[in-house]
Amino acid sequence: RKEVEQDPGPFNVPEGATVAFNCTYSNSASQSFFWYRQDCRKEPKLLMSVYSSGNEDGRFTAQLNRASQYISLLIRDSKLSDSATYLCVVRGSTLGRLYFGRGTQLTVWP
Amino acid sequence: GAGVSQTPSNKVTEKGKYVELRCDPISGHTALYWYRQSLGQGPEFLIYFQGTGAADDSGLPNDRFFAVRPEGSVSTLKIQRTERGDSAVYLCASSLQGQSLDTQYFGPGTRLTVL
Repeated sequence: RKEVEQDPGPFNVPEGATVAFNCTYSNSASQSFFWYRQDCRKEPKLLMSVYSSGNEDGRFTAQLNRASQYISLLIRDSKLSDSATYLCVVRGSTLGRLYFGRGTQLTVWP
Repeated sequence: GAGVSQTPSNKVTEKGKYVELRCDPISGHTALYWYRQSLGQGPEFLIYFQGTGAADDSGLPNDRFFAVRPEGSVSTLKIQRTERGDSAVYLCASSLQGQSLDTQYFGPGTRLTVL
């Protein structure tokens, strides 16, 4: 079983739509959680960290449910520039390494 | 300031050859990581350095893969007797101290193609 499971999509939404991505992780001892964004043929870049209390950054809201081992990302008022692959990322109990989901591809169309 | 840099950006080699991939982390970052990303997949961990030493090399797939970081800055990933299955994008990342909430900053990657 993979450490992080994520629906690969693709998600195709119109501008202005709200879209939600989910992922699950298998190691209950995981310590920290992130969403990274990866544009085509580019490196992953941190979008936001995810906290148990939930956190928001502009149009982006991330939630963590430790009991269910479930992480979500909500994007409101989608922009064309949001088109990318969104990677769910977990840092395990072993210091350092990150575990990545396979990514969810989002395309926002005009 | 300068981000993580990797060279070469692309490398094409023949099966059986030896390759070296270089990573130059952000200045002052003590933690350095190597990941490998195959098409349609997320990055997979290979090895983590804290300073000059490999703190976790459990992701290296076999003994054809080796990495060094002799002065605690630049790192080289070395692959011997390359196989077609080694074709992937090799990503390097660095973080300030390797602590739990430290952000890992990724380089642009080296795209390795083994013919």
